[in-house]
Amino acid sequence: AQKVTQAQTEISVVEKEDVTLDCVYETRDTTYYLFWYKQPPSGELVFLIRRNSFDEQNEISGRYSWNFQKSTSSFNFTITASQVVDSAVYFCALLRDSNYQLIWGAGTKLIIKP
Amino acid sequence: DTAVSQTPKYLVTQMGNDKSIKCEQNLGHDTMYWYKQDSKKFLKIMFSYNNKELIINETVPNRFSPKSPDKAHLNLHINSLELGDSAVYFCASAGTGVSGANVLTFGAGSRLTVL
Repeated sequence: AQKVTQAQTEISVVEKEDVTLDCVYETRDTTYYLFWYKQPPSGELVFLIRRNSFDEQNEISGRYSWNFQKSTSSFNFTITASQVVDSAVYFCALLRDSNYQLIWGAGTKLIIKP
Repeated sequence: DTAVSQTPKYLVTQMGNDKSIKCEQNLGHDTMYWYKQDSKKFLKIMFSYNNKELIINETVPNRFSPKSPDKAHLNLHINSLELGDSAVYFCASAGTGVSGANVLTFGAGSRLTVL
């Protein structure tokens, strides 16, 4: 069975703190893709990153970084020096190879307080 | 120059009415989707079309009917609207190829409120 778990329903931190959003996935496939999407209060869904199962290198993009660990089936997302504009719901998702359907986590609501 | 555009953005209607939401993408993608997002933010796939062919048809009441006149358009028609249909409906498209494969580009969403 394919499954994505985002155990943190809501996280609240003060601006400039670092924060990590957890994502744990389940799949028996050897080839798959993992995604993070951001949904700010305005409501749109914004693509952040895609990672395939053969690429375990960590990714850094500005203040955002992603830690992919197949050994623990996790694809965690860290925001360094958080800002109020980072406040959003963040979704992790899993896609099987050659499949059109994303398996979505329930989302983590991140609140950054000034 | 919006990549995936949905209309209308807001829709308020009475129970029992029939309504449609339109979606168009100008990205040249082959695959389009409709998702429903409920008040708890949970995203649920409803339908997916690839080159005008239905490939995903989740357990959705048959009051919901997608129509894809061409691969750039995927419209959603809802008959006999019920209170539980109130949600935000997102259209999305996805391309192919190594770099862009399966990366969904979403529309801005259409908030449907059934009174």
